[in-house]
Amino acid sequence: DSGVTQTPKHLITATGQRVTLRCSPRSGDLSVYWYQQSLDQGLQFLIQYYNGEERAKGNILERFSAQQFPDLHSELNLSSLELGDSALYFCASSVGLAGRGGTDTQYFGPGTRLTVL
Amino acid sequence: GDSVTQMEGPVTLSEEAFLTINCTYTATGYPSLFWYVQYPGEGLQLLLKATKADDKGSNKGFEATYRKETTSFHLEKGSVQVSDSAVYFCALYGNKLVFGAGTILRVKS
Repeated sequence: DSGVTQTPKHLITATGQRVTLRCSPRSGDLSVYWYQQSLDQGLQFLIQYYNGEERAKGNILERFSAQQFPDLHSELNLSSLELGDSALYFCASSVGLAGRGGTDTQYFGPGTRLTVL
Repeated sequence: GDSVTQMEGPVTLSEEAFLTINCTYTATGYPSLFWYVQYPGEGLQLLLKATKADDKGSNKGFEATYRKETTSFHLEKGSVQVSDSAVYFCALYGNKLVFGAGTILRVKS
């Protein structure tokens, strides 16, 4: 158990809908990261928040947004869902702000499996 | 940009066989290097890491050495067990975590 929790575990929805995925980081961790894992794209970094502020963006679509709240939990909002958005979405957390060559270890949650029908 | 290349799987071994999973990377500067493991139906777990050249990361019998001259971080284990069956991801952290495609390992008893 990494200490990172994600809800829900599974989510099934229809195209065009909007969903919210939730993540609670490990106690004491200030950084939260979101990743998408799909068969065709592999594991892709989406976005990072540190202590409530957006710090880094990866391959995140404009239809997707995220935020980190004062209690440090984070939510990933996916809207206008398409079939291709079906994937496993992972949240990870780390203690601080790992700079280039950083040594901060990221601890991953169990993931939310999103199925878009 | 930064990238990681891993050997394609699946890799199928008998119990107690020697394991090598190759990983090479492309990055500017000196990234930190990681191996993560994903067991069926679970999230990723950090297996080991190395933060500078010639560092050796080790955990649960697995080892990998950060080789700057060959830009490699190959994963090795001397004697695999059925319980090691999983997907192994090599990753680097420059200014974000970049993963390889993953290598499926299947160990037969």
